[in-house]
Amino acid sequence: DAGVIQSPRHEVTEMGQEVTLRCKPISGHNSLFWYRQTMMRGLELLIYFNNNVPIDDSGMPEDRFSAKMPNASFSTLKIQPSEPRDSAVYFCASSLDREVNTGELFFGEGSRLTVL
Amino acid sequence: GNSVTQMEGPVTLSEEAFLTINCTYTATGYPSLFWYVQYPGEGLQLLLKATKADDKGSNKGFEATYRKETTSFHLEKGSVQVSDSAVYFCALKSTGSWGKLQFGAGTQVVVTP
Repeated sequence: DAGVIQSPRHEVTEMGQEVTLRCKPISGHNSLFWYRQTMMRGLELLIYFNNNVPIDDSGMPEDRFSAKMPNASFSTLKIQPSEPRDSAVYFCASSLDREVNTGELFFGEGSRLTVL
Repeated sequence: GNSVTQMEGPVTLSEEAFLTINCTYTATGYPSLFWYVQYPGEGLQLLLKATKADDKGSNKGFEATYRKETTSFHLEKGSVQVSDSAVYFCALKSTGSWGKLQFGAGTQVVVTP
């Protein structure tokens, strides 16, 4: 079975450029999460969607970050303009929430972003 | 707010040694608790979970018991292997939080032959 698929796996860009990260969740999952992982701050939840609707975007650092989920099988995280402090590994995860107290997330392999 | 605190790493031990990684949490209500593992270059994978007090989660020789009285969920394994070298994350999910997880900082475990 296909897991969560993220692209690109690695991205190196220059400050000021636009970066778009992509995610395909596991088919049938109705929740999608974007996390950022850095050495300094660990794993931070940026935003999560339920049934394609953004539920909580309070973790989005600032207006330079935006995320969309146009359909159940695709999501993007965009940074415009990018800055060196955005360098991190960005993880997408999906989940099926049949019950309130089950929260098993399935993570992709991550997109490692380096902003020079 | 909710928080998860786990012991700092790295934890270095020899093959076949006993492993314990401490995890304590702060949360309202009755959260679900999880241990995730991240192998080098990969995303996180669920290792085990417990959804109510006194539940014991177990998988691949790892165990953790949900202790509400001490707000803890310590991870243990009786005999580690080199392949257990990874970063381990403790996490909680609050009641009604739509699957949103609060992760600890992670503990790196290094097992040497």
